[in-house]
Amino acid sequence: EDQVTQSPEALRLQEGESSSLNCSYTVSGLRGLFWYRQDPGKGPEFLFTLYSAGEEKEKERLKATLTKKESFLHITAPKPEDSATYLCAVHPSWGYSTLTFGKGTMLLVSP
Amino acid sequence: GAVVSQHPSRVICKSGTSVKIECRSLDFQATTMFWYRQFPKQSLMLMATSNEGSKATYEQGVEKDKFLINHASLTLSTLTVTSAHPEDSSFYICSARDLTARTYEQYFGPGTRLTVT
Repeated sequence: EDQVTQSPEALRLQEGESSSLNCSYTVSGLRGLFWYRQDPGKGPEFLFTLYSAGEEKEKERLKATLTKKESFLHITAPKPEDSATYLCAVHPSWGYSTLTFGKGTMLLVSP
Repeated sequence: GAVVSQHPSRVICKSGTSVKIECRSLDFQATTMFWYRQFPKQSLMLMATSNEGSKATYEQGVEKDKFLINHASLTLSTLTVTSAHPEDSSFYICSARDLTARTYEQYFGPGTRLTVT
């Protein structure tokens, strides 16, 4: 069974204090790993797709990396507007199109 | 690009009535759409997968007669919660994927907050 575990569950940072979120996964063949951002009361917003170990992607203050067992979302010099829940999901290489989501990391950045 | 809309954003209904939620892909053709529900402080739980022109595939434990899904066109899927009860109150989110794009991202709508009184 595919599993996605995100840690920590919650993270409080001061503005400018860089940190990383972790997504560990167990999947029988990985077709893709996805990061989403979700604001309260909103649908998830797509951030990144990573397809193979060693791949990295960046967008503004966010950088996602992938190994064979986990992915990290690095947040550099965060701002209060980065506060949100960050969700990680995997798409196995078998099966149709369904994603398995982790429970998310709730990030709060204080000014 | 890749914008998905949902309507309504909020709905309050009385127990026993039915509610229809629409999900539209605005700038791409969504051969596959997905319906999720999310309870407070929990992650998304997939309810069903719908493909244009065919019957939806429901996840285990989801009552297909209660949650009717129709994907009649390449840009529109609807979820109808029939005979709604308070326990159906939740945040319902749809997503869409364009298989022709040969990528696997799902793009999500803004969600619909359903409250059954």
